Amino acid sequence: NAGVMQNPRHLVRRRGQEARLRCSPMKGHSHVYWYRQLPEEGLKFMVYLQKENIIDESGMPKERFSAEFPKEGPSILRIQQVVRGDSAAYFCASSLVRGDEKLFFGSGTQLSVL
Amino acid sequence: SQKIEQNSEALNIQEGKTATLTCNYTNYSPAYLQWYRQDPGRGPVFLLLIRENEKEKRKERLKVTFDTTLKQSLFHITASQPADSATYLCALGGSSASKIIFGSGTRLSIRP
Repeated sequence: NAGVMQNPRHLVRRRGQEARLRCSPMKGHSHVYWYRQLPEEGLKFMVYLQKENIIDESGMPKERFSAEFPKEGPSILRIQQVVRGDSAAYFCASSLVRGDEKLFFGSGTQLSVL
Repeated sequence: SQKIEQNSEALNIQEGKTATLTCNYTNYSPAYLQWYRQDPGRGPVFLLLIRENEKEKRKERLKVTFDTTLKQSLFHITASQPADSATYLCALGGSSASKIIFGSGTRLSIRP
């Protein structure tokens, strides 16, 4: 079984551009979580999605950030009009069961905003 | 607000000794607690899960304790090896909560 796949591995954007980060969960997993990590810091929860539904987006900035997990295809984290402060590692995780289950993480996307 | 604190940013241990990492939390009543390992440039990898009604859990050289009164978990690595060097993250989840929240991690270095 393939693990959680994230792409691209590295993404460079200039200020004002859009960034799209993709995450394909493990086979059979229908729960996806997005986390953001700054250097030497822990993982900050952003959003939790189930197929076609946003379950909890309490960690997501109100503007410029959006996430989706369509019925078909990967989950997408979209950042519009990126700023330098958006530079970070973004990790996606998937789980089999809602809440009470371990998370399987991808290798992350390192976003650099010039 | 919910807060998770992990002891000291870095821990330096002699090979063969037991490494003990601490995770304290406030304003939260988790149904379970997890420990993950993260290597540089990689995503976290799940190690152990312990539920609120469990006091201790073991897996090979790893041992986790969970004290819901003290709001604390201890993570032990016995007979530590240089290959155990990594950052260790604790995470909390609630049966009714939809998200799992993480501490900032402890960087563990095992010197030969």
